[in-house]
Amino acid sequence: EAGVAQSPRYKIIEKRQSVAFWCNPISGHATLYWYQQILGQGPKLLIQFQNNGVVDDSQLPKDRFSAERLKGVDSTLKIQPAKLEDSAVYLCASSPRDRGPKNIQYFGAGTRLSVL
Amino acid sequence: QKEVEQNSGPLSVPEGAIASLNCTYSDRGSQSFFWYRQYSGKSPELIMFIYSNGDKEDGRFTAQLNKASQYVSLLIRDSQPSDSATYLCAATTGGFKTIFGAGTRLFVKA
Repeated sequence: EAGVAQSPRYKIIEKRQSVAFWCNPISGHATLYWYQQILGQGPKLLIQFQNNGVVDDSQLPKDRFSAERLKGVDSTLKIQPAKLEDSAVYLCASSPRDRGPKNIQYFGAGTRLSVL
Repeated sequence: QKEVEQNSGPLSVPEGAIASLNCTYSDRGSQSFFWYRQYSGKSPELIMFIYSNGDKEDGRFTAQLNKASQYVSLLIRDSQPSDSATYLCAATTGGFKTIFGAGTRLFVKA
């Protein structure tokens, strides 16, 4: 079974530029998550999708971040414009369960973003 | 603000010893608890999950949950240098949101 795919693996941009990340979850997984992990910290949930609907985006900085999940499969996360503090690893995860307590999450390799 | 707290470490143990990692959570409604291992520069991978009070064993790993004390722990027996990594504790709250701790760095000395 293929894992969670993410691209690109690395991205370097200048502040105020825009950037987009792509995620393809494990086949059949209904729930998809985007996390931001700053060096030395645990992953912080940015947005959670159930199929193609948003169930939690309370920590997404909506003035600059946007995300979509078309047709309930692939997802993209966009930052526009980027700030220095956006430098982090962006992790995508998927889960086979719907919203529920036993939602084991499987992570992709992540995209390391450096904003200069 | 619902939180998951971990000692950042580093926790250093000799090869073959038992490593004990601890975690507390603030949301009493949390239902599920997870331990993920994260090697430097890699993504988190699931080690253990536990839903009920008590102990759960899987090979060299034992997860312990005490909901009354809001405490979760992970024991690693016969620690190996390959166990050196950051261990993330996560809790799924009553609202089905997963919150991660900052992680504990473990170093196993050969």
